[in-house]
Amino acid sequence: AQSVTQLDSHVSVSEGTPVLLRCNYSSSYSPSLFWYVQHPNKGLQLLLKYTSAATLVKGINGFEAEFKKSETSFHLTKPSAHMSDAAEYFCVVSNTGGFKTIFGAGTRLFVKA
Amino acid sequence: DTAVSQTPKYLVTQMGNDKSIKCEQNLGHDTMYWYKQDSKKFLKIMFSYNNKELIINETVPNRFSPKSPDKAHLNLHINSLELGDSAVYFCASSPTDRDSGGWGYTFGSGTRLTVV
Repeated sequence: AQSVTQLDSHVSVSEGTPVLLRCNYSSSYSPSLFWYVQHPNKGLQLLLKYTSAATLVKGINGFEAEFKKSETSFHLTKPSAHMSDAAEYFCVVSNTGGFKTIFGAGTRLFVKA
Repeated sequence: DTAVSQTPKYLVTQMGNDKSIKCEQNLGHDTMYWYKQDSKKFLKIMFSYNNKELIINETVPNRFSPKSPDKAHLNLHINSLELGDSAVYFCASSPTDRDSGGWGYTFGSGTRLTVV
């Protein structure tokens, strides 16, 4: 069985400060992990993915995430938030073949001017 | 443009009606999905098709019937619409690699269904 938990439903940061969105997963095998972003009234866009290669994964728009097997975590970070980063972020775990995919409940990121 | 396109973008209808949502992808992907996103943004998979064959059918009322005429299309037909069907429905596609966890999804922009 696999599951994914996003530890914060809401995160608020000031523009120019670091962003940390936390995600923990459980899986009985080596999972693939993803982060998606959803801007208001838009579809979801893939930010980055981990599929058993390098543990530090770089994505679009300056985001990156680190896979830590010992902590079963895949936290999303960005050094400096921009107003356009305000959106909903989803952490996702997937099994081999991608047929069993579980979405986290989402974290809403607010960016203050 | 290469994309996943779904129509209509908005759909307002009365209870008891039958409606369809269409989805097409021109990415050459093997697998297509329908997801339902509720008012709390929670995403739940409804169906998944791989090369026109149904591979995932989660607990969804049988009023919902997917149809895949070819691997580039996955349409969703809903009979006897109910108030609780109001949600945003997303179509998605992915290239399927059975030896890995997949390549991630490309999502359509969603169809906001409102049942009144």
